[in-house]
Amino acid sequence: EPEVTQTPSHQVTQMGQEVILRCVPISNHLYFYWYRQILGQKVEFLVSFYNNEISEKSEIFDDQFSVERPDGSNFTLKIRSTKLEDSAMYFCASSETKETQYFGPGTRLLVL
Amino acid sequence: GNSVTQMEGPVTLSEEAFLTINCTYTATGYPSLFWYVQYPGEGLQLLLKATKADDKGSNKGFEATYRKETTSFHLEKGSVQVSDSAVYFCALVGVAGGTSYGKLTFGQGTILTVHP
Repeated sequence: EPEVTQTPSHQVTQMGQEVILRCVPISNHLYFYWYRQILGQKVEFLVSFYNNEISEKSEIFDDQFSVERPDGSNFTLKIRSTKLEDSAMYFCASSETKETQYFGPGTRLLVL
Repeated sequence: GNSVTQMEGPVTLSEEAFLTINCTYTATGYPSLFWYVQYPGEGLQLLLKATKADDKGSNKGFEATYRKETTSFHLEKGSVQVSDSAVYFCALVGVAGGTSYGKLTFGQGTILTVHP
């Protein structure tokens, strides 16, 4: 069964450093998403991406964040200058119909 | 805006007990409703969904019925197993201004622990 994959599974970085989180969505899906879950809190929407552009973003998704689909298979989330409060589990998801989303296993980001 | 409220957890049950996890929502229009499950150390897996009023979603013995009159989507299972121990998230995809790109709004999650 096709699945969404994410790399790395864990990432530790210093405050102020740039990180890139990578996702490979399911191959025939057209809608892509990033969510995050701070430890003990709700899963929060960050951004949706369709037709090579951002279709919707949350207040969390400020100028420090960017997304890209560089080569037709990968979908990346970049955080330009990480802050302590960016420590969270980041989930990528994809959807064929923009309704039912399939999630990857997540990347646990720890900012020190 | 859209919101989802789940019952407070954690929930602890004995094997074969009946499970209910309450979920209510606030949304404009006619959202689609979902239950996702997160097993320890894993990502979110879609458990079941319902896309219109009175629809019943079901999977692996779990059921939930979309009740528009009470804006609820309670999760039930008749006989839980130890392997059902996980975090359960209720979620919705709403429609804002006639356009939706599928943004999911989640509840806070309910931790379920089932003892033998």
